[in-house]
Amino acid sequence: GQSLEQPSEVTAVEGAIVQINCTYQTSGFYGLSWYQQHDGGAPTFLSYNALDGLEETGRFSSFLSRSDSYGYLLLQELQMKDSASYFCAVRDHGYGGATNKLIFGTGTLLAVQP
Amino acid sequence: DVKVTQSSRYLVKRTGEKVFLECVQDMDHENMFWYRQDPGLGLRLIYFSYDVKMKEKGDIPEGYSVSREKKERFSLILESASTNQTSMYLCASTRDMNTEAFFGQGTRLTVV
Repeated sequence: GQSLEQPSEVTAVEGAIVQINCTYQTSGFYGLSWYQQHDGGAPTFLSYNALDGLEETGRFSSFLSRSDSYGYLLLQELQMKDSASYFCAVRDHGYGGATNKLIFGTGTLLAVQP
Repeated sequence: DVKVTQSSRYLVKRTGEKVFLECVQDMDHENMFWYRQDPGLGLRLIYFSYDVKMKEKGDIPEGYSVSREKKERFSLILESASTNQTSMYLCASTRDMNTEAFFGQGTRLTVV
């Protein structure tokens, strides 16, 4: 089967650093993505890692270790507006392995407190 | 800007009705997806399509079907709506499998 595991909730204070972990188990793997979703809104893309290592985009960084089937999203200098749900996503084999499908984890609700 | 548009923001249907959820994207994307989102369960893939008239089951296809007659439009069909299909439905599209997915605003479907 396939699974993407994330913590359900994380709480942090403004200005702090928080790390959201994702471990995955899939039949295929073509990269790990992260999405942000504010309450009542649509998910929006944050980052994509195809290879091992750290990708940095402003206050957000994402890390991937393919040998450990593990990745994380790092949010620095937290702001109140970062309060949202964060989802990791993996491209996995479709039925028969001929296609790729995009599957998501269960999401991590980040609460940033003043 | 890429735009993915879902036909309805809120929908209320009766048990047993046939329900159509429509999704249109304006960026000539090859791949389109339908997910449902429920508290604590994340986004679960119902069906996806990688080309016109091509479709593939996701992880929870039971009770659903899809149609993709034109590249820009991907429809989700609930053949006979049931109360356990009450959920938020999200449509997404991607240009290819290594680029970001763009989502519609979602349709909150209530089946009574």
